Amino acid sequence: AQTVTQSQPEMSVQEAETVTLSCTYDTSESNYYLFWYKQPPSRQMILVIRQEAYKQQNATENRFSVNFQKAAKSFSLKISDSQLGDTAMYFCAFMIAGGTSYGKLTFGQGTILTVHP
Amino acid sequence: KAGVTQTPRYLIKTRGQQVTLSCSPISGHRSVSWYQQTPGQGLQFLFEYFSETQRNKGNFPGRFSGRQFSNSRSEMNVSTLELGDSALYLCASSFTAYGYTFGSGTRLTVV
Repeated sequence: AQTVTQSQPEMSVQEAETVTLSCTYDTSESNYYLFWYKQPPSRQMILVIRQEAYKQQNATENRFSVNFQKAAKSFSLKISDSQLGDTAMYFCAFMIAGGTSYGKLTFGQGTILTVHP
Repeated sequence: KAGVTQTPRYLIKTRGQQVTLSCSPISGHRSVSWYQQTPGQGLQFLFEYFSETQRNKGNFPGRFSGRQFSNSRSEMNVSTLELGDSALYLCASSFTAYGYTFGSGTRLTVV
């Protein structure tokens, strides 16, 4: 079974600064996807960034980037130039590619990020 | 392009009743997944449907069931509600496995 661990229940950062959220996962699979989702108070889960395990290059989406260390099974999210609108719960998620694990995302417990003005 | 729409947004039911939640995926998305979110257990996968067929199921009792219609809209049903079923139920749709788009969820409270 796959597990995803987010070791930081809460984090805070000043506006315009950089923050890194940690995520580790455990799997015996070799082909999978990793995601970061944010969930603001509006409840809707919003996809922030995704990474295919077979790609060595770290994914980047504007101010968001990841540090994907496949051997260490680590997938951290870096948010640069933090904005007040980044305040949310952030979830790391894992999905096996192919096979019969259709539609099944395995989520970590989440990290509450607060951006202070 | 309209997002994933879940109805209703809020629901209050009495223990022992049954409830049906609805999810309309993004147009063209044929895969629909359901999740339960609670403070204690976090986000847990319920099931996934594709072209009206359940392809995957999580570890939930048989009281939780779902279906998908030919237009890809999906419903989730919970029978004989228990207090522990109180949760945010999220639906997500996808065209490929590359990324799932979530709805805003239905907040179910069982009293």
